[in-house]
This record gives sequence, structure tokens and C-alpha cells, in this order.
Amino acid sequence: SAVISQKPSRDICQRGTSLTIQCQVDSQVTMMFWYRQQPGQSLTLIATANQGSEATYESGFVIDKFPISRPNLTFSTLTVSNMSPEDSSIYLCSVVRATEAFFGQGTRLTVV
Amino acid sequence: QKEVEQDPGPLSVPEGAIVSLNCTYSNSAFQYFMWYRQYSRKGPELLMYTYSSGNKEDGRFTAQVDKSSKYISLFIRDSQPSDSATYLCAMSDAGGTSYGKLTFGQGTILTVHP
Repeated sequence: SAVISQKPSRDICQRGTSLTIQCQVDSQVTMMFWYRQQPGQSLTLIATANQGSEATYESGFVIDKFPISRPNLTFSTLTVSNMSPEDSSIYLCSVVRATEAFFGQGTRLTVV
Repeated sequence: QKEVEQDPGPLSVPEGAIVSLNCTYSNSAFQYFMWYRQYSRKGPELLMYTYSSGNKEDGRFTAQVDKSSKYISLFIRDSQPSDSATYLCAMSDAGGTSYGKLTFGQGTILTVHP
């Protein structure tokens, strides 16, 4: 299994501000994945983060809006920049161990 | 058209019922098929994993994959109130570490009442 800790677990933010979400894994992993779960919607992959290289973003997501850092093999951050109410979602990080993808408990973001 | 379609429900059944959850997909490159369970305010946790077509059974849970029809199912026998959760199907066309690039269905909200 994998133990994934996400911080913060929830936050309420003003529009126009930025929030950085942290993801800590209990052991080294090559790739970390960031997902968004909008209300009533499925989980959507935002980007894949490799240590030592730029993150790879999925269609519809850009680095200026969702900058990602991956300073080492157990840690990553996702920043939601210049937030608007449409960014209100649950953000989850994920890692793969063998054939199983594990998820953190998520960060519930509300933008007002 | 979404790559993965899942009836969001909600689905409400009595305790002991057999539950059938289904997803259809359009991408024929998908090879890895999963079912996740997500309790309120928690991250998804893996229930079942299947590679390619076929059936897989684990206790009260059975996963079926029919690649020719692009259709997957999860059956829950003798459902319990503790099974009340959102069930998400997920798929991947990549192996290895890229396996984590999953495409999810919308999720089905299941309530099992005593």
C-alpha cells in the first residue's frame, strides 16, 4: 500500500488568490499524479509530475494556472493560481504502487 | 461524447440485494479496468482490478470486462449498509508507471438501507 498525506484538507479562499496544496508520500515514487474532482463530476487528470523535469499537463490544463513542483521523489505541490469560483473542487494527488493507484484524501477547495 | 460513461444514479437498494454497476467506454486502447469505492470526504480506494477481458471475483464483488462491447460491470452480492458509497469505474491504456493516468466515469452513488 501507499500512505499519502495531503495538506490542507480543506480551505476557503478569496477569488484572485492562489493556494498551494502539498502531497507527501511514505516512500519514493517515480511519478505523481494530480486530479480534480468537480462537484457531481468524475475525477479528471490535471498533470503528471516527474522528479527533475517539467510536469506534463492534460488537455485543458496549463502550467500558468496549475504550476506543479516535484523537488524530490516523495513530495509534490500543486498551486491553483488566480482562483475563481469555478476552481471550487476537490484536488487529489495519486501515486502508483505495483498495479494499484493510491489516492490522498483530497483537498476540498471553495473559492468565494 | 465522454470517453467513459457511468450512470450517476443515485441507486438505493435494500440490504442483501444484488447490485449491478456499469460503465461503457469508447477508447478501444483501454486495457486496464478498475473499480474504486469512495466514501464521503475520503479519497478513492481500489476495489477491483482487471486486465483485458474476463471476470474476476473477490468475496462479494465480481468485476466483468467485455472489450468487444466496451462494457464493464461490477456486481455486489449480499449488499451491506457499509457498501454505501460512490463507486467509480476507471480505465487506463498505459502500463508501468504511466498506469496512473486514469480516465474515470462519473461515479454511481449507492445507498444500501437496512
